[in-house]
Amino acid sequence: ELKVEQNPLFLSMQEGKNYTIYCNYSTTSDRLYWYRQDPGKSLESLFVLLSNGAVKQEGRLMASLDTKARLSTLHITAAVHDLSATYFCAVLKAAGNKLTFGGGTRVLVKP
Amino acid sequence: NAGVTQTPKFRVLKTGQSMTLLCAQDMNHEYMYWYRQDPGMGLRLIHYSVGEGTTAKGEVPDGYNVSRLKKQNFLLGLESAAPSQTSVYFCASLTGRAANTGELFFGEGSRLTVL
Repeated sequence: ELKVEQNPLFLSMQEGKNYTIYCNYSTTSDRLYWYRQDPGKSLESLFVLLSNGAVKQEGRLMASLDTKARLSTLHITAAVHDLSATYFCAVLKAAGNKLTFGGGTRVLVKP
Repeated sequence: NAGVTQTPKFRVLKTGQSMTLLCAQDMNHEYMYWYRQDPGMGLRLIHYSVGEGTTAKGEVPDGYNVSRLKKQNFLLGLESAAPSQTSVYFCASLTGRAANTGELFFGEGSRLTVL
């Protein structure tokens, strides 16, 4: 059964510093997603990673995928307060098309 | 193009009552999913469908039933609601076509309270 683990569960950031969120998964995947969720809101798409070595960047966020290590990272550069949210990764299993989420990383950026 | 629409957005039920949540997508997507999210937690998969007429169980299927009679609609039913089913429910859809970028679309969520 596909398991998706994120760490850390909570990340207190200082503005201007760099941080990384990790997403490990247990079986072969087809796609990996990163989402952001603000309190009381739905999920906002950040990245879709389709293949090994994929790297995508948008503003201060950069996501990468290593399918051999079954690991994706979400790197935050020079954190700002607006990035405070909960971040989720999700993995689409290659066989069966089951989509499983990690437990989320709650990010709080302090001035 | 409305994307993914969930109805209702809010509902309060008494224990033992039944209800159905509707998820509708207008993007001709093959795959649809129902999740629940409890306070401070991640999303747990209830049931999902990889095509019209097909459904499969997720991580937490007990107490729920689903149907996908039409490709664009995925219904989540609670036959006898329990307080433990108080949660926010999210529906998602994505295309199964390999050539697509594979973007996953979410509904706005349905907040259900069972008293």
